[in-house]
Amino acid sequence: DAKTTQPNSMESNEEEPVHLPCNHSTISGTDYIHWYRQLPSQGPEYVIHGLTSNVNNRMASLAIAEDRKSSTLILHRATLRDAAVYYCILMSQRDRGSTLGRLYFGRGTQLTVWP
Amino acid sequence: ETGVTQSPTHLIKTRGQQVTLRCSSQSGHNTVSWYQQALGQGPQFIFQYYREEENGRGNFPPRFSGLQFPNYSSELNVNALELDDSALYLCASSPRGSDEQYFGPGTRLTVT
Repeated sequence: DAKTTQPNSMESNEEEPVHLPCNHSTISGTDYIHWYRQLPSQGPEYVIHGLTSNVNNRMASLAIAEDRKSSTLILHRATLRDAAVYYCILMSQRDRGSTLGRLYFGRGTQLTVWP
Repeated sequence: ETGVTQSPTHLIKTRGQQVTLRCSSQSGHNTVSWYQQALGQGPQFIFQYYREEENGRGNFPPRFSGLQFPNYSSELNVNALELDDSALYLCASSPRGSDEQYFGPGTRLTVT
């Protein structure tokens, strides 16, 4: 399984942008990059995913490096509710087509947001 | 739209006992996955069910087994409980072909 590397923790102030990095140097050409987050005492929650191009949705933006060996999840204006563990996960095309949604979580990045 | 629900919320069992955890998938979702999350760790994939059949399994022993019912609800059974089975057990459902998984709040199992 392709692995990802994330910082153990990051901090931000409320209403400031947050850039959460993820390294995935062994990514294959068919691996999708998924981000989930887990708020305290809750199950993980889907945030965003992408393959090669940058992606935007109502929650966040995903910036993918040209060589795809790294990506950055961008929260444009952090709120207290964004305090969570953020997981960067690679999902192979094979898994998407057959086993559908086998997610391999690392330890993620604990984001602390200060008021 | 009702989300993924799990029961019970918390459970305490003794080593050697058996436990059954339950999950109700989100409406219209025919795929369900189970994960184990130890304290301070990310969730680990146990297995997945699609149309009532196991459709992939992680590195867990056979004493972890599951069922999916025609209404797409699911059970996770663990036999011969060990202390290391103490964890948060998460259920996630998704419609086939979707890139998103929808997680329930989990069941906290403590084995003493």
